[in-house]
Amino acid sequence: EAGVTQSPTHLIKTRGQQATLRCSPISGHTSVYWYQQALGLGLQFLLWYDEGEERNRGNFPPRFSGRQFPNYSSELNVNALELEDSALYLCASDGSGNTIYFGEGSWLTVV
Amino acid sequence: AQSVTQPDIHITVSEGASLELRCNYSYGATPYLFWYVQSPGQGLQLLLKYFSGDTLVQGIKGFEAEFKRSQSSFNLRKPSVHWSDAAEYFCAVGTPGSARQLTFGSGTQLTVLP
Repeated sequence: EAGVTQSPTHLIKTRGQQATLRCSPISGHTSVYWYQQALGLGLQFLLWYDEGEERNRGNFPPRFSGRQFPNYSSELNVNALELEDSALYLCASDGSGNTIYFGEGSWLTVV
Repeated sequence: AQSVTQPDIHITVSEGASLELRCNYSYGATPYLFWYVQSPGQGLQLLLKYFSGDTLVQGIKGFEAEFKRSQSSFNLRKPSVHWSDAAEYFCAVGTPGSARQLTFGSGTQLTVLP
């Protein structure tokens, strides 16, 4: 069974641009979660999508947004990129028993 | 709001030695508790979890953790460390109703000496 897959693995953008990251959950999982792992800030909850709806978001500005598609895949959009947005973005999907399983992550570098 | 503290930023052990990584949480009731491991440049792999019941839980790769309510702790242990265990370990807390919106500790980097 395939795990959570994320693309691209690495992305380099210029300050002010937009970045789009993609995530495919484990087959059968309907919820997707996005986390940011930034140097010095640790792992922080970003967004939760379930059945195509945004269910909750962490303490991040509105320029962090996303959506979930009918096939439960998801994309995370970061607008007006700032240098501090450089981080590993981890996607996770919802397993049974209140457990989430993470993908390998997408490295975003803002220069 | 819940919080998680991993007091040890970095731990070094010799291969074959025992290991204990500390995790303390703050939450008014019994939380859902998790340990994840992250190898360099990789995502997070679930080692084990605790929701209720037996306070000693077994995980993958020979790891176990014990939930101690009186100490608000969920320490991770392994009796004999292998070189491949070198990685960063994260303790995380979820709450009933938002179990998947985890609060993570700052992580403990484990170095294994040959």
